Amino acid sequence: NAGVMQNPRHLVRRRGQEARLRCSPMKGHSHVYWYRQLPEEGLKFMVYLQKENIIDESGMPKERFSAEFPKEGPSILRIQQVVRGDSAAYFCASSAQGFTSTDTQYFGPGTRLTVL
Amino acid sequence: AQSVTQLGSHVSVSEGALVLLRCNYSSSVPPYLFWYVQYPNQGLQLLLKYTSAATLVKGINGFEAEFKKSETSFHLTKPSAHMSDAAEYFCAVSSRRNTPLVFGKGTRLSVIA
Repeated sequence: NAGVMQNPRHLVRRRGQEARLRCSPMKGHSHVYWYRQLPEEGLKFMVYLQKENIIDESGMPKERFSAEFPKEGPSILRIQQVVRGDSAAYFCASSAQGFTSTDTQYFGPGTRLTVL
Repeated sequence: AQSVTQLGSHVSVSEGALVLLRCNYSSSVPPYLFWYVQYPNQGLQLLLKYTSAATLVKGINGFEAEFKKSETSFHLTKPSAHMSDAAEYFCAVSSRRNTPLVFGKGTRLSVIA
């Protein structure tokens, strides 16, 4: 049973470019969460999605960041016009039920974004 | 609002010694508590979780944690450290009321031969 898949594992962008991060949840999981880890910091929640719905985006920056989880295909975290402060590791997690339950969130290996 | 405080950003122990990683939480509702481990350049792996059942929780790799409501603590322990335990450890809290995982800043564990 494959775990949570994320690609690319490493992404380098120049300031002003767009970054697209992909996450394929574990088989049978329909809930996806995105977290960001800044250097020397813990993980910070960004957004929680179910298929075709954004459930909670309270951790998302108001501008330049967006996320989707279409009916078919992976979840996408998109960062437009990247700035150096966006450099971080972005982790995706999935669960079989929403975070209203005790169901465990399983994490992917992360995408490490570097903005030059 | 929920929060997690991990005391000690870096803990160093000798191989075979007791491992104790501290975690204190703040939550206005009964919490669910988690410990995750992160190896270099990898994602997070669940070690154990507390979900209002037994207060002493046993996890993988010989780790365990005890939920102490009076102390608002959920410290992680292992009787005997192994070199392979060297990693970053994160404590996290969530609630039943539609809130995401809130993580501590992490504790880096070093094991000395």
